[in-house]
Amino acid sequence: AQTVTQSQPEMSVQEAETVTLSCTYDTSENNYYLFWYKQPPSRQMILVIRQEAYKQQNATENRFSVNFQKAAKSFSLKISDSQLGDTAMYFCAFEMRTSYGKLTFGQGTILTVHP
Amino acid sequence: GAGVSQTPSNKVTEKGKYVELRCDPISGHTALYWYRQSLGQGPEFLIYFQGTGAADDSGLPNDRFFAVRPEGSVSTLKIQRTERGDSAVYLCASSFAGNTEAFFGQGTRLTVV
Repeated sequence: AQTVTQSQPEMSVQEAETVTLSCTYDTSENNYYLFWYKQPPSRQMILVIRQEAYKQQNATENRFSVNFQKAAKSFSLKISDSQLGDTAMYFCAFEMRTSYGKLTFGQGTILTVHP
Repeated sequence: GAGVSQTPSNKVTEKGKYVELRCDPISGHTALYWYRQSLGQGPEFLIYFQGTGAADDSGLPNDRFFAVRPEGSVSTLKIQRTERGDSAVYLCASSFAGNTEAFFGQGTRLTVV
């Protein structure tokens, strides 16, 4: 079974600064996907960024980038130029390539961006 | 529709009652997923439909939980003899088959009193 661990229950950052959220996972699989989702108070899970395990290049989406260390089973999210709208719960998630849509989520990190 | 729609948004029921939660996926999405999110936790997988059939129901906690998708579009999650421990947000997501990007609804918050 796969497990995903987010060791930071809460994080805070000043507007325009950079923050990094940590995630580690455990799996014996070689082909999988990793995700970061954002969940604002509206409860809707919004995909922030996705990484295919077979790709060595770290994924980036505008202000969001990841540091994917496959050997260490680490997948951190860096948010640059933080904005007030980034305030939300962030979840790291794992998906086996053979099990589309069956995501294993971490416990989440509450991120607060202060003006 | 434009997004995944879940109804009701909130549901309060008494212990022992039966409830149904509805999910309208994005038009054209053949894959549909249900997750349960307890307070302060990440979502946990319940069941995955491909078309009308349940391709993976390994996450359903017990036989009080059942889900259907009779026409391959709308899905209903059914919970019998509700217990206080069933209180959670139930999230639905949909995607094109074989596509890893799943789009989530806003969930139904179920409270069992």
